[in-house]
Order: sequence, then structure tokens, then C-alpha cells
Amino acid sequence: NAGVTQTPKFRVLKTGQSMTLLCAQDMNHEYMYWYRQDPGMGLRLIHYSVGEGTTAKGEVPDGYNVSRLKKQNFLLGLESAAPSQTSVYFCASSPDPGFDTEAFFGQGTRLTVV
Amino acid sequence: AQSVTQPDIHITVSEGASLELRCNYSYGATPYLFWYVQSPGQGLQLLLKYFSGDTLVQGIKGFEAEFKRSQSSFNLRKPSVHWSDAAEYFCAVGLTSGTYKYIFGTGTRLKVLA
Repeated sequence: NAGVTQTPKFRVLKTGQSMTLLCAQDMNHEYMYWYRQDPGMGLRLIHYSVGEGTTAKGEVPDGYNVSRLKKQNFLLGLESAAPSQTSVYFCASSPDPGFDTEAFFGQGTRLTVV
Repeated sequence: AQSVTQPDIHITVSEGASLELRCNYSYGATPYLFWYVQSPGQGLQLLLKYFSGDTLVQGIKGFEAEFKRSQSSFNLRKPSVHWSDAAEYFCAVGLTSGTYKYIFGTGTRLKVLA
């Protein structure tokens, strides 16, 4: 019963480096989301996907790219990391766009950009 | 604009005492409302949600919340707090216009004294 799994759990990057965060879900959910969590700001939506092959921008998409080539995976990329991207990143998935069903969250990835 | 306000950043209660966490929202339509809990090092877990009907909703772990339309509030309560309730609590609104998204509050960190 893995649910939503995020890889890696921790990472330290130097400014300008690139990396990809992987979110994998085994519940056959259509909808997947990437959030960032910053102190005093709650969770903010970066990008989301309504199905395989589709992505859309959320509240704070700048500096990030995403891909959903397979239904079970949602990748978040940082092409040139900046200190402002130091944050905890959460992935979530849900079976449909409504709120009658629960969204499931991963354990988070703590990223530090120095 | 839609928003969620959690006015208390930190709350400390003694074990066995009652708890109330405040949440106010701004949303034009009837909201979908949620409370999530984040234990240290963990992802977010859904405590309870409100869509319609009875304004007092019961959740997991002995929590309940009351929707008050006149006050635009959805406060979370628990009659007797346990040490394991120490965590961060997030209130969220579900937006149903356009693509379904969550708007999260900034969170309330609960400390429980033995």
C-alpha cells in the first residue's frame, strides 16, 4: 500500500544546478499535483495534471517544469535552481477532479538551494 | 479572491485539555472545506471535510469541525487532546470553478504539554 511516493526525500543543490523530483502513485489516479510549502505561507500549487500527457500551471509555476508521460508518474523539474526555491515539495494525487474523494499526499521532499 | 486564514500560528495546550483551531475563508460560492494534519516528517492526512448538509462534521482521531456560513468559519475542535496530536494543522478550501484546486491556509502548529 505505497500510495504516493516521492523521490528523493532530501536534496541539497547549488545555485544553477538542475534536478528532477519524482512523484509516483499506485492508485491509478487521474489527477496529480505539485505543491511547495514555505513557512507562514501554507501550501501553494505549482503545477498540476488532469491526466496522462497533460499539465497545467498553478499559482507559482515560474522556475519549474513538469511532465506526465505515464499516468502513475508526475515529474517536477528545476532547470536552474535558485535559493528562492528552497522549500518542502509535496506531491498529491486524486482519482477525480471533484472533492467527493480524498487527495493523497506524499511525504514531501526537502530541497535546499545554496 | 479566494483565501483561507488561520489566525493562530502556534497553539500550546496541555494534554487532556480541549482544543479549538480557527479557520476563516473567503469564497463566493458554497465552499468545500477541509482540515488536514501534518505530523513531523509526514505528508498531509485528511482529518475531515464539509460539502453540505449537517454543519457539524466528524472526522478521524476524535476531531470535529463546525461550518458557520454567517461567520465564514470552519473551526476544528477536539474535546481532549492527546500528546500524539502535536502536529501542524491546515485548513483548506476546495475551488470548484474551473479546475478543482485547493487553497490552503498557512497552518497552525500545535504543541501538547504533558
